[in-house]
Amino acid sequence: DVKVTQSSRYLVKRTGEKVFLECVQDMDHENMFWYRQDPGLGLRLIYFSYDVKMKEKGDIPEGYSVSREKKERFSLILESASTNQTSMYLCASSLAGADTQYFGPGTRLTVL
Amino acid sequence: GENVEQHPSTLSVQEGDSAVIKCTYSDSASNYFPWYKQELGKRPQLIIDIRSNVGEKKDQRIAVTLNKTAKHFSLHITETQPEDSAVYFCAASKSGGGADGLTFGKGTHLIIQP
Repeated sequence: DVKVTQSSRYLVKRTGEKVFLECVQDMDHENMFWYRQDPGLGLRLIYFSYDVKMKEKGDIPEGYSVSREKKERFSLILESASTNQTSMYLCASSLAGADTQYFGPGTRLTVL
Repeated sequence: GENVEQHPSTLSVQEGDSAVIKCTYSDSASNYFPWYKQELGKRPQLIIDIRSNVGEKKDQRIAVTLNKTAKHFSLHITETQPEDSAVYFCAASKSGGGADGLTFGKGTHLIIQP
C-alpha cells in the first residue's frame, strides 16, 4: 500500500519566517509534487520533481522553492512566509511513466 | 498552459438518483484525465481515470466519458449513496503525472439528500 506522509498536519508561523514542509513516500516513486489547495480554487501545482536533485516549476512557483536530496523526500520551502501563503499544502507522488498520483494527508499552514 | 473548467460547483441529488459532473480543458495535447474524490478532512483519492485513446470507462457505479473533439469529459455516478457525498475534482495532464503534473478543476461539492 502506497504511503505518503507529511511532517505536520497543522502549522502556525509568523510573517517573514522561513518555513519547511516535508513529504516522504515509501514506494520508491520517482515523481513527487507539491500542490496548494484553497477553497473555490481547487488544487494548484507549485513545483514537482522527477528525480533526485531535479525540480520543475508548476503553475504558481512564486514565493516557494523545493529541495529533493533523497528519492523518498521532497521539501517545500517558504523563504519568507506571507499571509497569502496561508493554505492547505498537499504532497503527491507517482512512479516514473505511471499516471496515478498518491496524495499525502496535507499540511494546513496558517501564516499570521 | 492548461486550463480546466469544472461545473457545477455544487450539486445536490436525491439518494438513488444519478449525478453528472462536467469538465472542459483547453490544451489539445492533454491526454490523461483523472477524477479524484476528497471527503471532508481527508486526502484526495483517485476514483477513475481515462486516457485520450478511450471514449468511455466504467467501474461499477461510476463512469467517465471523454470527447476529445469538444475537449470535455464527464463523471457519471449512478444510484448515488450517502457515502458518495464529497468534493470531486477533475484534472488533466499532457503525459500523466510524470512529466507535467496535473491541472485541476475547482471542484464540485456533491451532496446526497436522503
